[in-house]
Amino acid sequence: AAGVIQSPRHLIKEKRETATLKCYPIPRHDTVYWYQQGPGQDPQFLISFYEKMQSDKGSIPDRFSAQQFSDYHSELNMSSLELGDSALYFCASSLVDTEAFFGQGTRLTVV
Amino acid sequence: AQSVAQPEDQVNVAEGNPLTVKCTYSVSGNPYLFWYVQYPNRGLQFLLKYITGDNLVKGSYGFEAEFNKSQTSFHLKKPSALVSDSALYFCAVSPLGNNRLAFGKGNQVVVIP
Repeated sequence: AAGVIQSPRHLIKEKRETATLKCYPIPRHDTVYWYQQGPGQDPQFLISFYEKMQSDKGSIPDRFSAQQFSDYHSELNMSSLELGDSALYFCASSLVDTEAFFGQGTRLTVV
Repeated sequence: AQSVAQPEDQVNVAEGNPLTVKCTYSVSGNPYLFWYVQYPNRGLQFLLKYITGDNLVKGSYGFEAEFNKSQTSFHLKKPSALVSDSALYFCAVSPLGNNRLAFGKGNQVVVIP
């Protein structure tokens, strides 16, 4: 069965640079979620989209933005990167009222 | 605010023995409760969820969890642990019934051959 696809799997950026993470949800899933998992930490909810509209917002820094496109894929844009942004970024997708399925994550390292 | 507590950092169990991973929650209303497992360098894999109904929920890979409202607990159990069950287990709660999940800190499970 198709799963949530995230790209790239690994990304290394320097401080103050910009990064774009992509997420391709499971076909026909209408909701996308972004989570951030710092080293040794539990995943923290960042933001979600339902039918291309932002549906919920968590602890997402103002330097980050995200959107969901007409084909339902989503992108998380991160600017002015800081060392503390180094983390594993998960995307998940679901239908309304079903559990979320997570991608394998993008590991971002800021140096 | 909702919160999830997983009191043990690591759970060690011998292969073939019962496995229990503890989780307690604090949330107003009727929560949706979840268990996810994370293998090294992998994403979170859904194991099971409780929404309503029977307090004993059966999930993937032989896991089950028991919802106890009076103790606000949702412990994960498996009757006979396998070495391949060694992973990081996260309990999560959704007070709104959606997938905005609040995760616990996770429990590292080590199954000893």
